[in-house]
Amino acid sequence: KNEVEQSPQNLTAQEGEFITINCSYSVGISALHWLQQHPGGGIVSLFMLSSGKKKHGRLIATINIQEKHSSLHITASHPRDSAVYICAETSGSRLTFGEGTQLTVNP
Amino acid sequence: NAGVTQTPKFQVLKTGQSMTLQCAQDMNHNSMYWYRQDPGMGLRLIYYSASEGTTDKGEVPNGYNVSRLNKREFSLRLESAAPSQTSVYFCASIRSLSAGEAFFGQGTRLTVV
Repeated sequence: KNEVEQSPQNLTAQEGEFITINCSYSVGISALHWLQQHPGGGIVSLFMLSSGKKKHGRLIATINIQEKHSSLHITASHPRDSAVYICAETSGSRLTFGEGTQLTVNP
Repeated sequence: NAGVTQTPKFQVLKTGQSMTLQCAQDMNHNSMYWYRQDPGMGLRLIYYSASEGTTDKGEVPNGYNVSRLNKREFSLRLESAAPSQTSVYFCASIRSLSAGEAFFGQGTRLTVV
């Protein structure tokens, strides 16, 4: 069974702090996704990666295939980054999600 | 605009009623998914369709049926709604499992009373 585990479950930071959210998975995957869900409920894709590192603005995602581990970093965090961040993996025909990390960035 | 269109946004049902949630994507994606999201839990897979003409059960398929009508459309049906099916439902699509980002519908908030 594929399992995706995220840590921490909840994270509170001060504006400007560097943030790291971790994701571990149990089996070989085709790709790893990072997604963002805002309080309004909509889910948007941030990154899809199968190796290495990707960067978009203040967001950086990395993956280590050998260790079955991925991280999402946010540099210079801002209150508008407050959201639930979710990792998901594709393996076989399924897209399986972690439980999410609730991030709150205080001004 | 390209994306995943999911209807309705909100629905209240009485126990035992039936309904169909509709999902359509215009990105020529192969794989489509239905999830439910409950408080304190991650998205759980109900059913998926890896390609047109195929459907498979996910983690929590009991009480649901699906239909992949064509490549664009993937519907979720509740034949006899139960209070335990009160949840937020999301449809998602992805071009292929090894490439391409996932796209999500805006969600359906379903309450069964």
